[in-house]
Amino acid sequence: GEDVEQSLFLSVREGDSSVINCTYTDSSSTYLYWYKQEPGAGLQLLTYIFSNMDMKQDQRLTVLLNKKDKHLSLRIADTQTGDSAIYFCAESIAAGNKLTFGGGTRVLVKP
Amino acid sequence: EAQVTQNPRYLITVTGKKLTVTCSQNMNHEYMSWYRQDPGLGLRQIYYSMNVEVTDKGDVPEGYKVSRKEKRNFPLILESPSPNQTSLYFCASSLGTTGELFFGEGSRLTVL
Repeated sequence: GEDVEQSLFLSVREGDSSVINCTYTDSSSTYLYWYKQEPGAGLQLLTYIFSNMDMKQDQRLTVLLNKKDKHLSLRIADTQTGDSAIYFCAESIAAGNKLTFGGGTRVLVKP
Repeated sequence: EAQVTQNPRYLITVTGKKLTVTCSQNMNHEYMSWYRQDPGLGLRQIYYSMNVEVTDKGDVPEGYKVSRKEKRNFPLILESPSPNQTSLYFCASSLGTTGELFFGEGSRLTVL
């Protein structure tokens, strides 16, 4: 079955860049997502990338996809204290289909 | 305001006492889903529904039931809750085009 892996924790200083990494096993993955969960809240979609793309940039967020290695990363430039949250990587093989989530990476931004 | 609403947000119950967690969305989404979130395990899908009267099992359906009689509502039913169902539950809905899921705020359930 599908499997999505992430590191558990990342600590970063305010103003630095954060890089959160994710690996997945399903080569059929078509859509790859990054969700953010703030304390006490549900998940919110940050960005997503189609499997035929290598990179997607959206303001401070850059997503890199290495399809050969099945590796996805999310880079947050100029990390702010408001970026402290849990970040989930997810994949699906079709739009509207089941999403498989990683275990989440807790990002702590220190002043 | 577009939203997914879950109730109750918090519930403490005892083993075997049937309970229902309601979920309602106001975005006319066809796809709805239930997930449970446990530390270190991420979100695991319990059940999903592609449309009215169409439901299917996710990864961890044991001990749960769902129904989809109306497009907007997708209740999660625990007929006989057990302590291993203590978890944070999320309902989500989607248009189904990009796969973007809209999540409710979560329902924290404790089964004693």
